[in-house]
Amino acid sequence: GENVEQHPSTLSVQEGDSAVIKCTYSDSASNYFPWYKQELGKRPQLIIDIRSNVGEKKDQRIAVTLNKTAKHFSLHITETQPEDSAVYFCAAKEYGNKLVFGAGTILRVKS
Amino acid sequence: DTAVSQTPKYLVTQMGNDKSIKCEQNLGHDTMYWYKQDSKKFLKIMFSYNNKELIINETVPNRFSPKSPDKAHLNLHINSLELGDSAVYFCASTRDRGNYGYTFGSGTRLTVV
Repeated sequence: GENVEQHPSTLSVQEGDSAVIKCTYSDSASNYFPWYKQELGKRPQLIIDIRSNVGEKKDQRIAVTLNKTAKHFSLHITETQPEDSAVYFCAAKEYGNKLVFGAGTILRVKS
Repeated sequence: DTAVSQTPKYLVTQMGNDKSIKCEQNLGHDTMYWYKQDSKKFLKIMFSYNNKELIINETVPNRFSPKSPDKAHLNLHINSLELGDSAVYFCASTRDRGNYGYTFGSGTRLTVV
């Protein structure tokens, strides 16, 4: 089955700096890669996703890149703000509609 | 409001008890899931139902039994609760066709004492 690894496990950045979180996956048949943000005590919420026929997608300050050959994808957050502080999860969709999640990255934005 | 709703939000119970968590979605989605989030925040799938049919059953103790009376509802019953069952349980749903993310419920924090 699919295995998703996520790095780093924690990331501290200064407000205004960029943050990058990287994930690798094992199943070359996976074709959908969402990113979720989970604030303390809240539910995971989808912030951006990318499908395997696309190499990059951007939505305001967040962007995701996908390298299918290398089987890795990354989340980029520019001009970070304190409200970006949360746990971020990457995921890969395995055959059968099952999302396999990475272990999460705790992002702290220091003001 | 369109959403995935879970009840209860908090559940504190003693070891050995039996408890249920309920989930309902009004998004018209075909597939529903139960995920367990442990103290290290890891999200692990437990079960998945598609239109009332069980399609994913991960390695979960048989004390956990999901039930889907219709495609909008997925409940989770847990027998003989153990300390290690303490976690946050999230229900989620998604459309059947195409590649779409999940919509998660607000979670049920289960504490077994």
